[in-house]
Amino acid sequence: DSGVTQTPKHLITATGQRVTLRCSPRSGDLSVYWYQQSLDQGLQFLIQYYNGEERAKGNILERFSAQQFPDLHSELNLSSLELGDSALYFCASSPPRDGTDTQYFGPGTRLTVL
Amino acid sequence: GQNIDQPTEMTATEGAIVQINCTYQTSGFNGLFWYQQHAGEAPTFLSYNVLDGLEEKGRFSSFLSRSKGYSYLLLKELQMKDSASYLCAVNDSNYQLIWGAGTKLIIKP
Repeated sequence: DSGVTQTPKHLITATGQRVTLRCSPRSGDLSVYWYQQSLDQGLQFLIQYYNGEERAKGNILERFSAQQFPDLHSELNLSSLELGDSALYFCASSPPRDGTDTQYFGPGTRLTVL
Repeated sequence: GQNIDQPTEMTATEGAIVQINCTYQTSGFNGLFWYQQHAGEAPTFLSYNVLDGLEEKGRFSSFLSRSKGYSYLLLKELQMKDSASYLCAVNDSNYQLIWGAGTKLIIKP
């Protein structure tokens, strides 16, 4: 157990819908990262937040958005869902000033778009 | 551009030793990570190298050569539970983590 929590574990929805994925980082971690992993594919970095501010952006679609709240939990919003958005979505967090920026991953949310 | 190369798939025998290689070309270097990921599960942290040399942690060891842009993960006394994907990732000059596509390791009895 990494200490990072994600809800829900599974989500099944229809094309065109909107969903929100939630992540709580490990206690004390300020950075939150979001990743998408399609079946048998590598990890695709979406976005990073640090203490409430967006720090880095990867290949995140305009239909996707995220934010980090004052209590440091983060939400990833996916809208106008398409079949190709079906994937595992991971959240990771890393501690401040530990010199390595090691990322610890949550269990993921499996999104199925029908 | 930034690039990390690892073999797509490797097969090894239970009880044996396997070495998974990773080569990287990144804008700057601030450490290299290895993660293990079982199918359908989250990646879990295995090792971190920032200086040249070998880091040993039980059955797993990781080696780094910064001048060659090269790392390997060595797994000894392979067990069936080691069947997983192994991901190599490098922190670049901006501390952005660049990920390899992963090496799927298949262990046969």
